[in-house]
Amino acid sequence: DAGVTQSPTHLIKTRGQQVTLRCSPKSGHDTVSWYQQALGQGPQFIFQYYEEEERQRGNFPDRFSGHQFPNYSSELNVNALLLGDSALYLCASSLGDEQFFGPGTRLTVL
Amino acid sequence: GENVEQHPSTLSVQEGDSAVIKCTYSDSASNYFPWYKQELGKGPQLIIDIRSNVGEKKDQRIAVTLNKTAKHFSLHITETQPEDSAVYFCAASPLGYKYIFGTGTRLKVLA
Repeated sequence: DAGVTQSPTHLIKTRGQQVTLRCSPKSGHDTVSWYQQALGQGPQFIFQYYEEEERQRGNFPDRFSGHQFPNYSSELNVNALLLGDSALYLCASSLGDEQFFGPGTRLTVL
Repeated sequence: GENVEQHPSTLSVQEGDSAVIKCTYSDSASNYFPWYKQELGKGPQLIIDIRSNVGEKKDQRIAVTLNKTAKHFSLHITETQPEDSAVYFCAASPLGYKYIFGTGTRLKVLA
């Protein structure tokens, strides 16, 4: 049984560009949450998707948006990239309260 | 606002000794408290969790305690081994929703 998978592994973009990150949840899981982890910090909650709707959102600007597909996979989109958006982006899937994390996508903004 | 404080930020112990990491949360609605281990270049891995109706939970060398009145919870690792070296995060959450993470503890087990 594959766990949570994310793509790509690494990504380099320049300021002002847009990026899309992808996540496939663990088999049987219907909820996907996205987190941003800056170097040396704990993960910060971006938003959570359930039944293709954004159920809860953290303190992130509208430049961060997402989507969940009927197969429960999810995308995170970030527009107008800033240098401060450089971080590890983590996806977590869940069926109940336990969240299982993927390996993350390392985004570098130059 | 919602906040989870975690101490210490770094912890070095001799192999075989015990390690204790402590967290304090602010949101009274929190009723689920997971602990994660994160190794370099990997995503966080769930190692143990506790719900608000339980005061203590143990899984082999790992135990977690919760004091809901004081809003404190702690991770205890006994008989530490070099492979326990990693960054550990506590988190607090209302069931099924967002996690608020602590700032992490870098544990180093010295052989």
